[in-house]
Amino acid sequence: NAGVTQTPKFRVLKTGQSMTLLCAQDMNHEYMYWYRQDPGMGLRLIHYSVGEGTTAKGEVPDGYNVSRLKKQNFLLGLESAAPSQTSVYFCASSSRGQTYEQYFGPGTRLTVT
Amino acid sequence: GQQVMQIPQYQHVQEGEDFTTYCNSSTTLSNIQWYKQRPGGHPVFLIQLVKSGEVKKQKRLTFQFGEAKKNSSLHITATQTTDVGTYFCAGPVNYGGSQGNLIFGKGTKLSVKP
Repeated sequence: NAGVTQTPKFRVLKTGQSMTLLCAQDMNHEYMYWYRQDPGMGLRLIHYSVGEGTTAKGEVPDGYNVSRLKKQNFLLGLESAAPSQTSVYFCASSSRGQTYEQYFGPGTRLTVT
Repeated sequence: GQQVMQIPQYQHVQEGEDFTTYCNSSTTLSNIQWYKQRPGGHPVFLIQLVKSGEVKKQKRLTFQFGEAKKNSSLHITATQTTDVGTYFCAGPVNYGGSQGNLIFGKGTKLSVKP
C-alpha cells in the first residue's frame, strides 16, 4: 500500500515550457487535491476533484490545468511555465471531504528559470 | 474572505521547554485538523477536533478546540528534537461550491535546540 505517490520528485523547466505532474493514490479515495507550498505562504489549493471525471478550481488556479480521468490518478499540467510557478507541489487525497483527513504525497519540487 | 491565522510564525525553544501554537479562524468551524510537516517532508495528519471545547491528547501533545469553535491550540510538553517541524491547522472552507476543501493556516515552524 503505497498511499499517495507523485512523479517526478524534482524538475527544472525553462520559462514557456510545459509539463505534467502525476499523482496516484491506491486508497480508493474519492477526493484529490493539488496544493502549492511557498515559503511563508502555507499550503494553497490549486485545483481539486470530488470524483472521477470532475475537477474544480481552488484558491490559485491560474496557469494550471488538471484532469481526473481515472479515480486513482490526478494530473496537474502547466501549459507555459513561469518563474512564479517555482514551488513545491503536493498532491493529497481523502476518502470524503472536509471531515476526513487528507493524505499527502511526498511532493514535487519545481524550479522555473 | 475566510481566513485561518496561526501564531507565532516561528518558535525556537530549548529541548525540554514547552511549546504552544495558536490557530484563529475568521469564521466558525465545524471541525479543525492539525498536521505536522517535518523538514523536507510532506504534511502528515495529526488529529481532528469536532466538538466545542474539545481537548484531545497524544502523548506530549495536547489539542484544544475553542468554545466558540473559532480557535484552536496545540501544546507540546517538554519538547524533543523529534518535534521539529512546521505545524499547520486547517479548517473546512465554508463558502458555496467548495465541498471537501480545507483552508490551511500558514503554519508555525518549531525548532528545538538540544
